[in-house]
Amino acid sequence: QMQLQESGPGLVKASETLSLTCTVSGGSSRSSSFYWAWIRQSPGKGLEWIGSLYYTGVTYYNPSLKSPATISADTSKNQFSLKLSSVTAADTAVYYCARGRAGFLAYMDVWGKGTTVTVSS
Amino acid sequence: QSVLTQPPSVSGAPGQRVTISCSGDSSNIGSSGIDWYQNLPGTAPKLLIYSDSQRPSGVPDRFSGSKSGTSASLAISGLQSEDEADYYCARWEDSLNGHVFGTGTKVTVL
Repeated sequence: QMQLQESGPGLVKASETLSLTCTVSGGSSRSSSFYWAWIRQSPGKGLEWIGSLYYTGVTYYNPSLKSPATISADTSKNQFSLKLSSVTAADTAVYYCARGRAGFLAYMDVWGKGTTVTVSS
Repeated sequence: QSVLTQPPSVSGAPGQRVTISCSGDSSNIGSSGIDWYQNLPGTAPKLLIYSDSQRPSGVPDRFSGSKSGTSASLAISGLQSEDEADYYCARWEDSLNGHVFGTGTKVTVL
């Protein structure tokens, strides 16, 4: 059964780049059946989709994000990553990675437990 | 982005049935399937329902989803203490090529 695990620094300074990695186990990240997504939850707020990466390398991002995001993959390590540049306190959140089912019905069926990132001033 | 509105909280006694609504308009709920996720702090969010009413394998049949017009609902029957969590509806937004989540509902088991 596939599992996802987020990792990265728990504390990032404002204006710097937040970098997180999601390690995929129990299956391959190289499948056209899936896409790989990042979602976050800021304190006291709901879930927010950040962006997704497809098998083809195509990426999509939430245009409402203030800090520019980049999602990429290292298929040799079965990992995909998130970078948020020029972060502010508003980027403090629990960050989740997830597997999405590509196709007509798009939904996220496998999630990591999340990692907390605090942006300090 | 289209907004999906949920009640902030619902509550029920053990064994009761509770429903969580997810309201939108014809441009969002009416145009794509609704998914439901359960989020317990410190755990991985869990997909409960996809495409309005489909239940992934392993999800108890106490959880059911429905949609009518511009509103979707998640029903939890036989409420258990372990169901105390936050619940989010979500939909695919073609203009984003991504997901839009509802405002979230906290379920409390009395």
